[in-house]
Amino acid sequence: GEDVEQSLFLSVREGDSSVINCTYTDSSSTYLYWYKQEPGAGLQLLTYIFSNMDMKQDQRLTVLLNKKDKHLSLRIADTQTGDSAIYFCAFSGATSGTYKYIFGTGTRLKVLA
Amino acid sequence: GAGVSQTPSNKVTEKGKYVELRCDPISGHTALYWYRQSLGQGPEFLIYFQGTGAADDSGLPNDRFFAVRPEGSVSTLKIQRTERGDSAVYLCASSTAVNNEQFFGPGTRLTVL
Repeated sequence: GEDVEQSLFLSVREGDSSVINCTYTDSSSTYLYWYKQEPGAGLQLLTYIFSNMDMKQDQRLTVLLNKKDKHLSLRIADTQTGDSAIYFCAFSGATSGTYKYIFGTGTRLKVLA
Repeated sequence: GAGVSQTPSNKVTEKGKYVELRCDPISGHTALYWYRQSLGQGPEFLIYFQGTGAADDSGLPNDRFFAVRPEGSVSTLKIQRTERGDSAVYLCASSTAVNNEQFFGPGTRLTVL
C-alpha cells in the first residue's frame, strides 16, 4: 500500500527558514499537498503541487518535488511563532484515487522566539 | 461563508455504546469525505460520498462503522458497539467536485472509555 513518511519534530528560531520533508512510495501521485493543523482547528491547505512540476513558490512557502527520489519538501521562509503547528504532506493520484488523500504522519514545528 | 462544521466537538462514551457524529458540509459541495485521525498520526480515509451515495467505503475498518448522507448534504457517521480503539478525531471534508480541494472541518474528538 501507499506509505508517506515525515520526521516527527522540527524546532527553529523565529526568523530562520524551516524545511519540512516528506517521502512517499506511490509514484503515480498526481497532486501533492501540504496541510497545516493547529490545536483545535481543522486542516488548512497551505499549498499544493502537480506531479509535473518541480517547484512552486507562494509568498513565504516554497515546495520542491523530486520525483526520482519521491521526495517532497516545504520551505517556510522567515518562520514566525504563528507558524508553530503540525504540518502534513498528502497526496492523491491514480493508485489512491484522486478523491482519497493519503497523509503522512505529520511534522510538529516549534518556533522559538 | 461558513466552512465545514462538525458536531459534537467532543464525545465521550462507554465501551459498547452507539455513537453518531454529524458533518455539515459547505453549501453546494457535492463530495463529502470522512477521515479518522488517531493520536500522533495523519488522517486516514474512511469513506467518500458523491451526492447521496457512498462511492467508496473501503476505508471503513469493519462493519461496526456506517455512514449515511440521505439528502446529499449533511452526513452522519455511525459507530456501533464502540471499542477503546475507536478513540480518535473524526474529520469531515467536502469539495465542490471529486477532484477539487477538500475543505476540512474541525473534527469530533471521540473518546471511548
